Amino acid sequence: DADVTQTPRNRITKTGKRIMLECSQTKGHDRMYWYRQDPGLGLRLIYYSFDVKDINKGEISDGYSVSRQAQAKFSLSLESAIPNQTALYFCATSDPGQGFEQYFGPGTRLTVT
Amino acid sequence: SQQGEEDPQALSIQEGENATMNCSYKTSINNLQWYRQNSGRGLVHLILIRSNEREKHSGRLRVTLDTSKKSSSLLITASRAADTASYFCATGRGGGNKLTFGTGTQLKVEL
Repeated sequence: DADVTQTPRNRITKTGKRIMLECSQTKGHDRMYWYRQDPGLGLRLIYYSFDVKDINKGEISDGYSVSRQAQAKFSLSLESAIPNQTALYFCATSDPGQGFEQYFGPGTRLTVT
Repeated sequence: SQQGEEDPQALSIQEGENATMNCSYKTSINNLQWYRQNSGRGLVHLILIRSNEREKHSGRLRVTLDTSKKSSSLLITASRAADTASYFCATGRGGGNKLTFGTGTQLKVEL
């Protein structure tokens, strides 16, 4: 089974709708991250969490919110989706005690029409 | 803003040849990492080089880091068709070692 899972894998939604993307991990890592990827722009950090009680904004947090329900779960919400939030969204985890590399989920492809 | 810029944006080579990708960045870093992404999939960590290291090897991968020029290169030797993917550099900065990703190099290895 995959260590970092994301649901849904694909989602099409309409402008103005609220949508939640979910991430779960079985790696036991404290640190979790949400990124979005747009063609030609690489990955950009939306939010990150270093433990259940620690939530931080990343480079492009406007229009997004997150919830860290447990060590293993980190959800990303779009309160009112807009077309320029169409992108590929990735969740990642890391454990500084095991090195600085991050482990990525398979991604959620979100289309806002 | 992107911390890393990669060069070239796209690279096409024949199987068996070496592939070299370059990454430049703007500010001081803790470490620099390289990731691979197969089309539309999650990123996979390849190798990490710390700011006080100059060269590192892992299998067919060789990474160099020049902190004076704020640049790094990734060399894949004896490339295979299965190496076809996008490759991203990511710089780790600050106490939490947040990563900032470059724009990526699309590598195509042809038979």
